[in-house]
Amino acid sequence: DGGITQSPKYLFRKEGQNVTLSCEQNLNHDAMYWYRQDPGQGLRLIYYSQIVNDFQKGDIAEGYSVSREKKESFPLTVTSAQKNPTAFYLCASSIGGTPFNEQFFGPGTRLTVL
Amino acid sequence: AQKITQTQPGMFVQEKEAVTLDCTYDTSDPSYGLFWYKQPSSGEMIFLIYQGSYDQQNATEGRYSLNFQKARKSANLVISASQLGDSAMYFCAMRDHTGANSKLTFGKGITLSVRP
Repeated sequence: DGGITQSPKYLFRKEGQNVTLSCEQNLNHDAMYWYRQDPGQGLRLIYYSQIVNDFQKGDIAEGYSVSREKKESFPLTVTSAQKNPTAFYLCASSIGGTPFNEQFFGPGTRLTVL
Repeated sequence: AQKITQTQPGMFVQEKEAVTLDCTYDTSDPSYGLFWYKQPSSGEMIFLIYQGSYDQQNATEGRYSLNFQKARKSANLVISASQLGDSAMYFCAMRDHTGANSKLTFGKGITLSVRP
């Protein structure tokens, strides 16, 4: 089945550690996105990528880094510079970056900093 | 600037009745897309329905329809014949060409509870 997978589902991190969240899609989509969701809030864009080897900062990129070496993969690293990383992280993809393409989401990773 | 407003803090509906979830938006771009997503307690975001700014007719997808009033800049979601499984958070979102690469901007969401 085509879709988006994220791993792990739950992730615990000690303060000062970097962690990498995985996102893989087999939908052959060009565009991929990372969002952060805090309790009771909507989603905020961290990073996005329209094509391989290119990515752009979203609204809250500080303390995060990404790479896009393959079309199907868009891993997100939460660095120790991110002051409040405990949140729910959602990866999404779409065919293209126009206003008329819906984004499809993965199941999410819940990150907790201990 | 893009903006999505969802002001209803929580909605309750009786099973089998219809319910309307409100969404207003703000954009200066004549070309934009409006989306509704459902987020159950498990966390995944499920795409429900899409309305393009140039679409002449309101979008419909099964029990979901979108009441699109362009002049009022509103895009309300109507769920007919509510089911217990409809209990979830619902997010309205918009994409236009403002800024680089037309990002998807979300509202804060509305909690819907369906009573048996």
